Amino acid sequence: NAGVTQTPKFRILKIGQSMTLQCTQDMNHNYMYWYRQDPGMGLKLIYYSVGAGITDKGEVPNGYNVSRSTTEDFPLRLELAAPSQTSVYFCASSYPGRGAKNIQYFGAGTRLSVL
Amino acid sequence: DAKTTQPNSMESNEEEPVHLPCNHSTISGTDYIHWYRQLPSQGPEYVIHGLTSNVNNRMASLAIAEDRKSSTLILHRATLRDAAVYYCILRDREAGGTSYGKLTFGQGTILTVHP
Repeated sequence: NAGVTQTPKFRILKIGQSMTLQCTQDMNHNYMYWYRQDPGMGLKLIYYSVGAGITDKGEVPNGYNVSRSTTEDFPLRLELAAPSQTSVYFCASSYPGRGAKNIQYFGAGTRLSVL
Repeated sequence: DAKTTQPNSMESNEEEPVHLPCNHSTISGTDYIHWYRQLPSQGPEYVIHGLTSNVNNRMASLAIAEDRKSSTLILHRATLRDAAVYYCILRDREAGGTSYGKLTFGQGTILTVHP
């Protein structure tokens, strides 16, 4: 299994450009998440999804949009890139439920710079 | 969400045990204690979790205080590969609850391992 795959690994954007960060998982997980991590800080939740067609906002959703048309894919869209969105973005997935199922698996991240 | 408190940094020598503390005095009865770690330039990875009893797995041990207000992650023999940021996180028992299984990351403990 590949687990959680994120593309691209690195990207530089100009202010006002748009882009989509791709995330796909092959573990048939219902739940998927997008986090951002600023330098020296912990991760903050941007959006999450509990299944295909269902998404909801996390702590820091402004400037981002998501969609979940399939179980496997959870793309994150930046419409008008701003320098404040310079960060490392992590996608994660998990099963719902208790105990050992309640574990999140993370991708390797996308490093984004907005100049 | 109940919060956790961890030291900003700790140091260890290779092949020595490491005890990483975490305080969570406002933990609720339905919160699991999860530990994740983040190696340099990688996404977080799950280490271990527990509810009331001490837990062991191939990566580490988790010792939970009787009143559950604190816990300690134990790496029995630190290696250079264990140098990472370690996050102690409280999670609602079921990811399907109102928290939808989101992980609330603090700043964690930076573990440095000396050869």
